[in-house]
Amino acid sequence: QVQLVESGGGVVQPGRSLRLSCAASGFTFQTFATHWVRQAPGAGLEWVAVISYDGNRIYYADSVKGRFTISRDNSNNTLYLQMNSLRPDDTAVYYCAKDAAKYFDHLDFWGQGALVIVSS
Amino acid sequence: QPVLTQPPSSSASPGESARLTCTLSSDFSVNDYNMYWYQQKPGSPPTYLLFYFSDSDEGRGSGVPSRFSGSKDPSANAAILLISGLQPEDEADYYCFFWPSNVAVFGGGTRLTV
Repeated sequence: QVQLVESGGGVVQPGRSLRLSCAASGFTFQTFATHWVRQAPGAGLEWVAVISYDGNRIYYADSVKGRFTISRDNSNNTLYLQMNSLRPDDTAVYYCAKDAAKYFDHLDFWGQGALVIVSS
Repeated sequence: QPVLTQPPSSSASPGESARLTCTLSSDFSVNDYNMYWYQQKPGSPPTYLLFYFSDSDEGRGSGVPSRFSGSKDPSANAAILLISGLQPEDEADYYCFFWPSNVAVFGGGTRLTV
């Protein structure tokens, strides 16, 4: 079955960096787009970024553009999110999610999430 | 910037139906887009429920009961999630979602109390 396992979350000071990873299994990772979605405490879902199956198409939410970088390693079935210049309002659970298509259709499976806390 | 507006809360009794709405900002016509719905229970990640474009182009996620269905109200520029025969386990947060361009958008979510 599809499994997505996020790691790399933790507490980080404002202005610092953190890299999240998402290990995928149970499906052919290199044939599907993948997303990052976050959820601040007590708040709704916010889409963060998406990368196509081959890494050639990447899009970001305005709130993270220029600070976050999504990437993937198809040889290791792993998705990444490099987060730089972190701010307190980046505090959230970060979910990795698989798309149903090579490019962009809908998010059909989600990981359990990784908590990122940005605080001094 | 596209926006999806959902009422923050709704309630209904077991066995009744719940009609959850998701209104698109005026720059975007609901008739032009696939609209997607997700369910999230406390402490768990969201799960995919269904998409709706038209009566001939719709679908539910794997294992999603037929009690969950989608529709559109073009006069209100809104997508609708209808849950019939409500069960206690349907109590959750429900989010709509769409792709207006190269940026994806979630609605703010509706907390359904059963």
